[in-house]
Amino acid sequence: EDKVVQSPLSLVVHEGDTVTLNCSYEVTNFRSLLWYKQEKKAPTFLFMLTSSGIEKKSGRLSSILDKKELSSILNITATQTGDSAIYLCAPSGSARQLTFGSGTQLTVLP
Amino acid sequence: EAGVAQSPRYKIIEKRQSVAFWCNPISGHATLYWYQQILGQGPKLLIQFQNNGVVDDSQLPKDRFSAERLKGVDSTLKIQPAKLEDSAVYLCASSLIVRDEQFFGPGTRLTVL
Repeated sequence: EDKVVQSPLSLVVHEGDTVTLNCSYEVTNFRSLLWYKQEKKAPTFLFMLTSSGIEKKSGRLSSILDKKELSSILNITATQTGDSAIYLCAPSGSARQLTFGSGTQLTVLP
Repeated sequence: EAGVAQSPRYKIIEKRQSVAFWCNPISGHATLYWYQQILGQGPKLLIQFQNNGVVDDSQLPKDRFSAERLKGVDSTLKIQPAKLEDSAVYLCASSLIVRDEQFFGPGTRLTVL
């Protein structure tokens, strides 16, 4: 059975801090790993990673995949209150199905 | 480009009643997914369609849940009869056949009393 573990489960930081979110996975027929941000209801797409060791960046967010260790990290630098959300990791496997972790609840205090 | 549309946004019913949710995917997205997200958990796949065919419904509780995607565009998910444990957010997502990225609708929050 496919499995995804995210850590920490929750994190409280102050504006300006840097955070690192972790994701480890065991997925049959791994294709890629996706990160989503969930505020209120709908998850919104952040990154898709397919190759090990290649960092993807979008503004203050960056992410990298380690296929050997079956893991990925999501970094957020200079955090802002608007970064407060649940961050979901989801590897894509057979039939391009996503298996979601339980997420990391990030709270950024002013 | 319009996103994934879902309705209703909220629904409150009593146990043993029935309920239906509607989803309209992004134009051109042949693959459509329904997920159930219980509070504190990540979304869990219920059913995957490609065009109007079912790719995977292994996690759909078929004794009470049903879904269809007529004409390969809109989809409906039905629960009959509802149980207390069905209280959750029901998310619809769509994607292009050749892409892994899925794009989600706003979801329907179902409360079963």
